[in-house]
Formats: sequence, structure tokens, C-alpha cells
Amino acid sequence: GAVVSQHPSRVICKSGTSVKIECRSLDFQATTMFWYRQFPKKSLMLMATSNEGSKATYEQGVEKDKFLINHASLTLSTLTVTSAHPEDSSFYICSARVWVNAEAFFGQGTRLTVV
Amino acid sequence: LAKTTQPISMDSYEGQEVNITCSHNNIATNDYITWYQQFPSQGPRFIIQGYKTKVTNEVASLFIPADRKSSTLSLPRVSLSDTAVYYCLVGDNQAGTALIFGKGTTLSVSS
Repeated sequence: GAVVSQHPSRVICKSGTSVKIECRSLDFQATTMFWYRQFPKKSLMLMATSNEGSKATYEQGVEKDKFLINHASLTLSTLTVTSAHPEDSSFYICSARVWVNAEAFFGQGTRLTVV
Repeated sequence: LAKTTQPISMDSYEGQEVNITCSHNNIATNDYITWYQQFPSQGPRFIIQGYKTKVTNEVASLFIPADRKSSTLSLPRVSLSDTAVYYCLVGDNQAGTALIFGKGTTLSVSS
């Protein structure tokens, strides 16, 4: 199957700093990628849809100036958490769907801890 | 998007068959039913997808009645490694459409 690689898998940062998370489709091109956030024992919550070459579409309640998404190529989307605060600590997951049956492939996830 | 309802949790023992039912009363004509599995601290993984009747692959079976208002994921002879959260999703098969996750079912398998 298709592979989506996410990096880093874990990151600890100080409050007020920014963190960039990369999501790559390794063996297929992804015009669209999706970013989710998951809090402990909760379900995945869609944050935004990332479109190659255009602005991302954010879900209601997600601050676009805080969660900067860039999808500069067909194989790379990045999520930058700016001015991170402890409440941004969460598990962030990216995903892309292939065109054949729209099966979704997910990255390994990034555990962000803001101290 | 069709809303899905599934049990919050289920318990089972190794070797048993587990059936997880999902309700999706408002499923649309062009919607598919897809199940994903998620282990702690990992991204979800596709298990199976169907539109109607029965679908079987190497890990599970999916039963969908004629009215398509519900579906049942069947896991034969579960093992400890099947302990995970299982999500039932209903939606179209467009690659540009995001998957919307419900609460999922936490399956705990004991020895």
C-alpha cells in the first residue's frame, strides 16, 4: 500500500516557540492531505485540508494563524504550530487518500509536548 | 456526512469472534462504509470497505444489510494484538474529501 511518512514522531518544545511537522507521501502524489489532532482517549479531529499549491482549508474553531499549513509539492505538506502553548500538546496526524478506492493512509503521528 | 453510532467499548477473549455493529441511518446513495483500526500512538489503518452485502478480506468481514443503515465488522478469532480502537466511517470515495471520525469502539482482548 501507499506510505505516508510523518516527522518527527515526538517533539518537546518550550512554550512560545514554533514547531514544524512534516508529512510526506513516499510512493504516490497527494494533491490533498489532511491534518488531524487527537487528544488522549479521544477520536481524531480534523483540523484542516491541505491542497497543493493553494491555501489550506481550516475547520471551524482552528486558528489558521496558529496552525500554518504549507503544501508546496505533491509529496510534502507541513504543519507549523506557532507560539506553542501547553494546551497545544497533542497527537498530530496527517493523512492522504489514494485515488483508486480513496483508501486513506496515515502518518505515524507526531506527539507534541509543550512545556 | 452520515453520522455513525457504534458501541464505546467491547471486551473479548482470545480466539473468539468479535462483531462490532455500526449504525448509519442517514447513509447516502453514494456513500461507502469503511472501517479503520488504530493502535495507541499510531495513525489509523484501513481494515475493510464495502458498499452492500458482504465483503471479506484476510483480516475481517463486513456485513451490510440491504437497507445499508447499519454494518457489522466481524473479526474472526481475535488475539491480544487486536486490542485497538475501531472506527466506522461513512462517506464518498473522493480522494479530496476528508474522513470524519466518530468516537470509535475500543476493543479489549484478554487471554
